[in-house]
Amino acid sequence: NAGVTQTPKFRILKIGQSMTLQCAQDMNHNYMYWYRQDPGMGLKLIYYSVGAGITDKGEVPNGYNVSRSTTEDFPLRLELAAPSQTSVYFCASSSASEGAPDTQYFGPGTRLTVL
Amino acid sequence: AQSVTQPDIHITVSEGASLELRCNYSYGATPYLFWYVQSPGQGLQLLLKYFSGDTLVQGIKGFEAEFKRSQSSFNLRKPSVHWSDAAEYFCAVVNNAGKSTFGDGTTLTVKP
Repeated sequence: NAGVTQTPKFRILKIGQSMTLQCAQDMNHNYMYWYRQDPGMGLKLIYYSVGAGITDKGEVPNGYNVSRSTTEDFPLRLELAAPSQTSVYFCASSSASEGAPDTQYFGPGTRLTVL
Repeated sequence: AQSVTQPDIHITVSEGASLELRCNYSYGATPYLFWYVQSPGQGLQLLLKYFSGDTLVQGIKGFEAEFKRSQSSFNLRKPSVHWSDAAEYFCAVVNNAGKSTFGDGTTLTVKP
């Protein structure tokens, strides 16, 4: 199993550009998450999904969009990039245990800089 | 709304000393609680979790945590710290709808 994969690893964007961060998991997990981690800070939830076709906003959704057309993939779209979106982005997935989301498995992260 | 507070931004301990990292949560129902560790430049790895049952849970690398509902706490402990434990530690709460909230983390430095 590859686990959770993210592409690209690094990216530099200009202000106003758009891009999609890719995330895929091969563990057949229902739950998937997108976080951003700013320097010296914890993870802030951007969006999450409890299954294909179902997504919901997290703590910091503004400026981002997601879709979940398959169980495996959960891309994150940045429209009109701004310097405030400079961060490291982590994707994670989890299965369910006892009716609740279980351990999250994290991808290696995408380091995004907006200039 | 659920929240997690890790009161200690940075903790320094000597190798071989005991460790306790604090975590306080706010959530109306029974919380699902997790501790993760992040080494520099790496993703997060699970240390331990609490869903229900025994309030003292054991994890990997000799870590344990105790769930105290009355104090809304889930503190992480280790009896004897090793230099390789230096990392950032995150406490997280997840609700049964799948929404997760992480604390801001505690950075652990281990002195030789």
